[in-house]
Amino acid sequence: EDKVVQSPLSLVVHEGDTVTLNCSYEVTNFRSLLWYKQEKKAPTFLFMLTSSGIEKKSGRLSSILDKKELFSILNITATQTGDSAVYLCAVEKIQGAQKLVFGQGTRLTINP
Amino acid sequence: GAGVSQSPSNKVTEKGKDVELRCDPISGHTALYWYRQSLGQGLEFLIYFQGNSAPDKSGLPSDRFSAERTGGSVSTLTIQRTQQEDSAVYLCASSFGWDGAYEQYFGPGTRLTVT
Repeated sequence: EDKVVQSPLSLVVHEGDTVTLNCSYEVTNFRSLLWYKQEKKAPTFLFMLTSSGIEKKSGRLSSILDKKELFSILNITATQTGDSAVYLCAVEKIQGAQKLVFGQGTRLTINP
Repeated sequence: GAGVSQSPSNKVTEKGKDVELRCDPISGHTALYWYRQSLGQGLEFLIYFQGNSAPDKSGLPSDRFSAERTGGSVSTLTIQRTQQEDSAVYLCASSFGWDGAYEQYFGPGTRLTVT
């Protein structure tokens, strides 16, 4: 059975700290791994990772994929209160449906 | 431009009643997805439509759930004889297609509460 596991489930830090969120997966027919930020209801796209070892960056956020060890990390440096959200990891499968298998999310809280 | 829209934003229904949830995808997007997020859970895939192909219904939790996509655009998710465990946020997403890199754009969701 396909599985995506995120850790920690919950994290509380102070503004300015650096955080690392983890995502491990066991999925057949892997195509890509995606990170989303979910505030309120609708997730917003952060990164899509398809190749191992290539870091993707967007401002204070960065992410990397390890296809050998089957995990990805999402780093956020110099955190701000606006970074507070649930961060979702999802794996896209190579199959007709192109559907995503989601992890349970990490709830990140940044305290001022 | 306009994003994915869903209606209603909130729905409270009595156990045993049927409900219909609507999704309007981004114009031109051929792929449409329904997900469910129960309290404290990750997103759960329900059903996927791609163009005129037969939908992938492999994620539907029971035969009380069904979905249609009329004219390749608007989709309706129907839940018959609702149960309390159906309470969740139902999210719709659309994407330009399935070939190559794509991004799913999510709607704001419908919060369904079954009492």
